[in-house]
Amino acid sequence: GDSVTQMEGPVTLSEEAFLTINCTYTATGYPSLFWYVQYPGEGLQLLLKATKADDKGSNKGFEATYRKETTSFHLEKGSVQVSDSAVYFCALGRYSSASKIIFGSGTRLSIRP
Amino acid sequence: GAGVSQSPRYKVAKRGQDVALRCDPISGHVSLFWYQQALGQGPEFLTYFQNEAQLDKSGLPSDRFFAERPEGSVSTLKIQRTQQEDSAVYLCASSLVPRGTGELFFGEGSRLTVL
Repeated sequence: GDSVTQMEGPVTLSEEAFLTINCTYTATGYPSLFWYVQYPGEGLQLLLKATKADDKGSNKGFEATYRKETTSFHLEKGSVQVSDSAVYFCALGRYSSASKIIFGSGTRLSIRP
Repeated sequence: GAGVSQSPRYKVAKRGQDVALRCDPISGHVSLFWYQQALGQGPEFLTYFQNEAQLDKSGLPSDRFFAERPEGSVSTLKIQRTQQEDSAVYLCASSLVPRGTGELFFGEGSRLTVL
């Protein structure tokens, strides 16, 4: 069945550092891929998404490219800020009879001033 | 309100008690999902509604779990005879479009602790 695997945290970086959070997926066909973020004390919210191979999703300085050949959707940001401290979830969904969106286990990111 | 609202935010139950968790989705959203999130884990799918129809309940862990959305808006997740392993945060999410293809809008969750 479909699954999502993301790098374990916690990840601790200094402000302005480069960020990569790895995400790989297992699925047949062409799922849509998402990154959701959960800030402290808030609900999960969509950060970015990509719906087909080679698409790049971007938002708030974050980017992720849908790589079919490596079944990956790694999250990157060139210069992180303290306000980026949160838990990040990679997720997979489908345009098919399957209704659920499947989430990875989450990666906690802490940014030091 | 403009977002997904869940109540109660916190619930402590004694083992064996029944609990009911409520979700008010964003008005007009067709899809409604329930997820269970254990500490330090990602959300695990429980069930999905498209309007009032429960189209997928494959994630419900046992027959003690029951969900309904009778008028296609508010939904209730009921857990009967709660067990300690039911302790988790229960998340509700709604979406404007059918199925799992669009942006999900999440509530802040209901944290259930079973003693």
